[in-house]
Amino acid sequence: DAGITQSPRHKVTETGTPVTLRCHQTENHRYMYWYRQDPGHGLRLIHYSYGVKDTDKGEVSDGYSVSRSKTEDFLLTLESATSSQTSVYFCAIRGAQGPNTEAFFGQGTRLTVV
Amino acid sequence: SQKIEQNSEALNIQEGKTATLTCNYTNYSPAYLQWYRQDPGRGPVFLLLIRENEKEKRKERLKVTFDTTLKQSLFHITASQPADSATYLCALGENNNDMRFGAGTRLTVKP
Repeated sequence: DAGITQSPRHKVTETGTPVTLRCHQTENHRYMYWYRQDPGHGLRLIHYSYGVKDTDKGEVSDGYSVSRSKTEDFLLTLESATSSQTSVYFCAIRGAQGPNTEAFFGQGTRLTVV
Repeated sequence: SQKIEQNSEALNIQEGKTATLTCNYTNYSPAYLQWYRQDPGRGPVFLLLIRENEKEKRKERLKVTFDTTLKQSLFHITASQPADSATYLCALGENNNDMRFGAGTRLTVKP
């Protein structure tokens, strides 16, 4: 299995509190992604990174911010959690060999905002 | 707006038959298209990738086609088995940075 770890695996938090999810990789892959998965919507891209300190928005970035200060870590922050952000969050990594590379996914973080 | 649509939310077939799943896209010019399998409670797992200049790819019982004129990819599982039951996701990107997914099709193979 690709070396990708998400933490925490489960979290319950209250509305209005800040939450940070961590994605850690040991593969030295260039690209890292954060997705959320909800019934009926599949995987929706929140933010992605194409290098240290290089990030860009995905299709559902409102209410989320990211940081990548080193290759191995990609952090997703919910500044003020809302119930609509209750979801399963997946991190993915990809290498830099051109458009031929597969993505490897973490095991997911189940976040519940009450 | 850009869309990736997978033909149905659920597909039920009998063991031994061929399962065919569809992925259609709108307002994309993808450089590649990928298919993933996802089991309940797990992250997606890569199955196959096909590039824009390729028509067909095979891997064991799996076959993927890519028609950039129709803006469609078909994913076939031949001689299906109950162990093939899972959700299958298509993903595409216009460059190496971006990777967007369809909502997935839940396949159930009945013995």
